[in-house]
Amino acid sequence: AQSVTQLDSHVSVSEGTPVLLRCNYSSSYSPSLFWYVQHPNKGLQLLLKYTSAATLVKGINGFEAEFKKSETSFHLTKPSAHMSDAAEYFCVVRNPGYSSASKIIFGSGTRLSIRP
Amino acid sequence: EAGVAQSPRYKIIEKRQSVAFWCNPISGHATLYWYQQILGQGPKLLIQFQNNGVVDDSQLPKDRFSAERLKGVDSTLKIQPAKLEDSAVYLCASSLDYTGEQFFGPGTRLTVL
Repeated sequence: AQSVTQLDSHVSVSEGTPVLLRCNYSSSYSPSLFWYVQHPNKGLQLLLKYTSAATLVKGINGFEAEFKKSETSFHLTKPSAHMSDAAEYFCVVRNPGYSSASKIIFGSGTRLSIRP
Repeated sequence: EAGVAQSPRYKIIEKRQSVAFWCNPISGHATLYWYQQILGQGPKLLIQFQNNGVVDDSQLPKDRFSAERLKGVDSTLKIQPAKLEDSAVYLCASSLDYTGEQFFGPGTRLTVL
């Protein structure tokens, strides 16, 4: 069975400081991992994805994530937060393959707040 | 490029009524997904189509939910009869194929009274 756990439901940082959103996963396969962002009243947008290539993945808007198999983690980081980063962030795990086992699981989300 | 279109954007019904949602994916996208997002939770995959065939519907409550994708393009999701716990945002997404990036529509917010 696969699962994904976002360790913080809410993270608050000051503008200009680093952002860390934590995600741990569980999978019997070598999964693909994603981070999506959901701004208020806007659709979900892909930030970045890991699909068994480089373990450090760079995404849009200065975000990046590192896949650590030994820790089963895929934490999202950004060196310097901007007010426009305030949103809900979802970590997603997807098993490979074209079968009923290829399920897509979203985490429960982390709400990121930015203090001026 | 036009995005994923969904309608209606909002719907309010009473319990035991029926409701249908419509999704028009990005042109050329073979894979279509329906998700249910309850307030405060992450989206839950209800059903995934590859062209007009169902790939995964393991989390679809089949006693009341149904979905179809005729001709492998547009899709409809129906709830009959609705329950209070069906109140949620229903998201449609599409991708070029089953491994591709998913593009999400704006969602339909359903309130069941």
